[in-house]
Amino acid sequence: GQSLEQPSEVTAVEGAIVQINCTYQTSGFYGLSWYQQHDGGAPTFLSYNGLDGLEETGRFSSFLSRSDSYGYLLLQELQMKDSASYFCAVFRGAGANNLFFGTGTRLTVIP
Amino acid sequence: DVKVTQSSRYLVKRTGEKVFLECVQDMDHENMFWYRQDPGLGLRLIYFSYDVKMKEKGDIPEGYSVSREKKERFSLILESASTNQTSMYLCASSLRGGSNGYTFGSGTRLTVV
Repeated sequence: GQSLEQPSEVTAVEGAIVQINCTYQTSGFYGLSWYQQHDGGAPTFLSYNGLDGLEETGRFSSFLSRSDSYGYLLLQELQMKDSASYFCAVFRGAGANNLFFGTGTRLTVIP
Repeated sequence: DVKVTQSSRYLVKRTGEKVFLECVQDMDHENMFWYRQDPGLGLRLIYFSYDVKMKEKGDIPEGYSVSREKKERFSLILESASTNQTSMYLCASSLRGGSNGYTFGSGTRLTVV
């Protein structure tokens, strides 16, 4: 079977750093993606890791370790607008070419 | 601004009705997808298509079918709606590779009564 594990809720203080972990068990793994979804909104693409290591995009970074079947999303200098749900998703790649999503982590940023 | 447009934001249908959910993208993307989103379950893939007239089953295809007659349009069909198909339905599209991210529509909230 396939599974993705991520915490259901995280709370952090404005200006702080938060890490959202994701572990996966799946066949046909090509990479790990992260999406952000505000309440009532559409999921929006944040990052993709096809290789081991850290990818940085502004305040957001994402990490992948294939050997550990593990990744994380790091959000720095948290802002109130970062309050949203964050989904990790396994990219099942060529042939299957689709995303398998986790159940999401609801991040609440408090003043 | 690139877009994925879903025809309805809210729909209410009766049990047993045939329901059509429409999705149109203006980005010339090869791939299109239908997901449903339920609390605590995340997004689950129903069907996807990587070319006109091509379709592939996702993780939960039972009770659904799809149609892709034109590259920009991907329709989800509930042949006989049931109450357990009450959900938020999200359409997405991507370039052929897909790893550069999916673009999602705003979703259709379907209630089956």
